Amino acid sequence: DVKVTQSSRYLVKRTGEKVFLECVQDMDHENMFWYRQDPGLGLRLIYFSYDVKMKEKGDIPEGYSVSREKKERFSLILESASTNQTSMYLCASSLSRDRVVRETQYFGPGTRLLVL
Amino acid sequence: QKEVEQDPGPLSVPEGAIVSLNCTYSNSAFQYFMWYRQYSRKGPELLMYTYSSGNKEDGRFTAQVDKSSKYISLFIRDSQPSDSATYLCAMSVRGSGGSNYKLTFGKGTLLTVNP
Repeated sequence: DVKVTQSSRYLVKRTGEKVFLECVQDMDHENMFWYRQDPGLGLRLIYFSYDVKMKEKGDIPEGYSVSREKKERFSLILESASTNQTSMYLCASSLSRDRVVRETQYFGPGTRLLVL
Repeated sequence: QKEVEQDPGPLSVPEGAIVSLNCTYSNSAFQYFMWYRQYSRKGPELLMYTYSSGNKEDGRFTAQVDKSSKYISLFIRDSQPSDSATYLCAMSVRGSGGSNYKLTFGKGTLLTVNP
């Protein structure tokens, strides 16, 4: 079974703090993704990575950065947390960008971030 | 027009009912279609995956794709209280490289099955 783990289930931070969210997958997947999920807005893609040290902006990258130094690990960084970044953050991974047949994504349990 | 439209519900049904969940889409390049189930305060989990038009069955769940109408459905037979969750449709285009492995999600439908 694919396993995607996230470093924290719940996190409370103050405005202006730098926040690190970490995601690890154990199935040698090439692609990794960070989403945020908000009521009424659904899942929105923040950033994704299709290889080590490679990253691409998603639909809402402003205020976020990412790091992928190892294949199994993808970090989301909030440079200076703001209250409008309070959300559920979900990490996902998928097998390979060259495999066109199956690009299903497997999700971690999520991190609920509250920025005060 | 949004790429993927999904009725957010909420949908409330009695135990044993047949449930129909639907998504429409506008991008004819979408070739792969998925349904995810998300329990409260958990991450989405893959439920069904389909590629071609037609039906795919897995136990009490049937996924249906009609590419000519750009319409996909998920049917749940003999629904159970444990089926209470948010159901998200997702789809992607065919082809490798670039952004073609991204998924486009519907906003999800909240389903409650009452005992």
